[in-house]
Amino acid sequence: QQQVKQSPQSLIVQKGGISIINCAYENTAFDYFPWYQQFPGKGPALLIAIRPDVSEKKEGRFTISFNKSAKQFSLHIMDSQPGDSATYFCAASLRNAGNMLTFGGGTRLMVKP
Amino acid sequence: GAVVSQHPSRVICKSGTSVKIECRSLDFQATTMFWYRQFPKQSLMLMATSNEGSKATYEQGVEKDKFLINHASLTLSTLTVTSAHPEDSSFYICSASLRGSSYNEQFFGPGTRLTVL
Repeated sequence: QQQVKQSPQSLIVQKGGISIINCAYENTAFDYFPWYQQFPGKGPALLIAIRPDVSEKKEGRFTISFNKSAKQFSLHIMDSQPGDSATYFCAASLRNAGNMLTFGGGTRLMVKP
Repeated sequence: GAVVSQHPSRVICKSGTSVKIECRSLDFQATTMFWYRQFPKQSLMLMATSNEGSKATYEQGVEKDKFLINHASLTLSTLTVTSAHPEDSSFYICSASLRGSSYNEQFFGPGTRLTVL
């Protein structure tokens, strides 16, 4: 059972544009929703994370929007840059389940100069 | 802070040999360490969860006798791929949860590329 669904699988954005990646989850008990950025041949790096008690979190050019009733959350990358080209994974976890992460399928983002 | 290292970064071995991968939390104590494998252009697949001093919990479909996990201390976990075969070739990534944190963060290592000839 895929508990976190991510879309789109790939995304091409022009430099300066907004990149938007969406995720939907099924388990309403999840209490932590991080986004990871992964470059080829490297491990994932935590980008930004949100908890279900807030609807939005912004860090620099990265914003998470969270809709608890719809069980959806999204990552917005403002002023996208070629250096943002990477694979992005959303995830969800549950603290009393040992913080085990359930990952989305990933989105390969390409930002064209 | 919260740096996780892995060693080696890449390894090539012959079929039938065993390979050990180390995962260390460099500047924090890890309550739990996780092992993932990732095939090209795919998401991370959790293999097992390990807590210091106890046996690892393996995900369904992961052979515990083939993928031996030892969590000897709060800063070190090892994954040994026994009798490796070409189908075991993959990118293996560990992560660690911060002990004592009220948050759920997992910090990932840089990964180990295993190629079995």
